[in-house]
Amino acid sequence: KNQVEQSPQSLIILEGKNCTLQCNYTVSPFSNLRWYKQDTGRGPVSLTIMTFSENTKSNGRYTATLDADTKQSSLHITASQLSDSASYICVVSAGSSASKIIFGSGTRLSIRP
Amino acid sequence: DTAVSQTPKYLVTQMGNDKSIKCEQNLGHDTMYWYKQDSKKFLKIMFSYNNKELIINETVPNRFSPKSPDKAHLNLHINSLELGDSAVYFCASSIRLAGGSTDTQYFGPGTRLTVL
Repeated sequence: KNQVEQSPQSLIILEGKNCTLQCNYTVSPFSNLRWYKQDTGRGPVSLTIMTFSENTKSNGRYTATLDADTKQSSLHITASQLSDSASYICVVSAGSSASKIIFGSGTRLSIRP
Repeated sequence: DTAVSQTPKYLVTQMGNDKSIKCEQNLGHDTMYWYKQDSKKFLKIMFSYNNKELIINETVPNRFSPKSPDKAHLNLHINSLELGDSAVYFCASSIRLAGGSTDTQYFGPGTRLTVL
C-alpha cells in the first residue's frame, strides 16, 4: 500500500533555531517528492520538488533531502522565523503514469519568540 | 492578481442539499485538480482534469461531479450533501499533471464546507 508518513506530528521551537522534519514513504514506483508549506486557513504552497536522481534541493532557508534507497526525505529549516509557523506536508507521486499523488498528514510547526 | 481562486470561501448548508464550488485559474495551465482536506488535515486528490478531460478520478461518491467548461475553470457539484462531506475543498492547477512531472502545483485558498 502506498503511504507517506511524517514525523513529528507537531514541533515547537524558539525563533532563530534550526529544525528538521522527516518523511518516510512506501510509494512505488517513485516519481517525485514535494514539500509544501500550508499556513492556517490557506492552500499549500510548494517549497521543493525532487526527482529520483536528486539528493538535495534548497529554497532559501528550506533544504530538502532525498534518499531514494531508504525512501526517506527530510526538510531542514535554518534560522527559523515566526512566519515559518505552519504545517509542512510531504507529497509523493507514484505509478507508471504517475497519476497517484499521496499526501502525508503533515507536521505542525510552531515558532515561539 | 489571484492565480487560483475559489468561490465561495465558506459554505454552510443542510443535509440533502445540492451545492457547487467554482474554481478559476489565470495561469494558463492545462491541468486542474480538486482535493479534499478532512478534519485530520489529510489532503486527498479527488479529480484531475487535463485540457478539459478527466485524467484522475479517485474513489469518490458519484454524488460529486466535476465540470470543466474550459481549461481555466473546474467546478465541483455535490448532490445530496451528507454530514461526512464537511471538509475544506482545495482547487489547484499546474502546467502538466503534477504526478508525472516536476511542475509546481498552485493551490486556491480553499472552500470550507459545513453540512448541518
